[in-house]
Amino acid sequence: AQKITQTQPGMFVQEKEAVTLDCTYDTSDPSYGLFWYKQPSSGEMIFLIYQGSYDQQNATEGRYSLNFQKARKSANLVISASQLGDSAMYFCAMREVTGNQFYFGTGTSLTVIP
Amino acid sequence: DAGITQSPRYKITETGRQVTLMCHQTWSHSYMFWYRQDLGHGLRLIYYSAAADITDKGEVSDGYVVSRSKTENFPLTLESATRSQTSVYFCASSPGWADTQYFGPGTRLTVL
Repeated sequence: AQKITQTQPGMFVQEKEAVTLDCTYDTSDPSYGLFWYKQPSSGEMIFLIYQGSYDQQNATEGRYSLNFQKARKSANLVISASQLGDSAMYFCAMREVTGNQFYFGTGTSLTVIP
Repeated sequence: DAGITQSPRYKITETGRQVTLMCHQTWSHSYMFWYRQDLGHGLRLIYYSAAADITDKGEVSDGYVVSRSKTENFPLTLESATRSQTSVYFCASSPGWADTQYFGPGTRLTVL
């Protein structure tokens, strides 16, 4: 079974609009962390946001917020007020503490339309 | 400059040859990681290291060897390269297992 599932291979959003990138995860580890990374066309991996499994509140970092629904095992990334520079691949990732493993999803390609 | 660097950035080799990809970080992070990125698979963990002389397997470790004699270096060796190991390889580091990982620029490896 996939540990991280990103069901949207590609997404389009109008500039200045908000967009939600979906991520579901599968783990039996009671302690885990969820991450989102951005990979622009230049290839580097850029950390965006982190959510711990015991965190009570949804994480936010500037225009990025993580919609964490633990019971549904989802950790969707919300980007508000999209900018042209947001066009990139976005990866959801999970760190398992007990299992000592780190898993990435297959990514979502986001294109921001002017 | 401080950060995490990888060398070479691009490498072409032939099936059966040994190849070593280098990773160096200047933050003194305890943890270091190697991933490969392939279309349709995202990034997959090959090996990680919690400290010098401590390494452990990730999801796709077959065909790869790592060592970590110094905290700042984490080389990845393909002992006998195969075409299926053609990929982009990323090294990453973090202060602790629970912390954010910071990635190097990647090495694009082609095995002919």
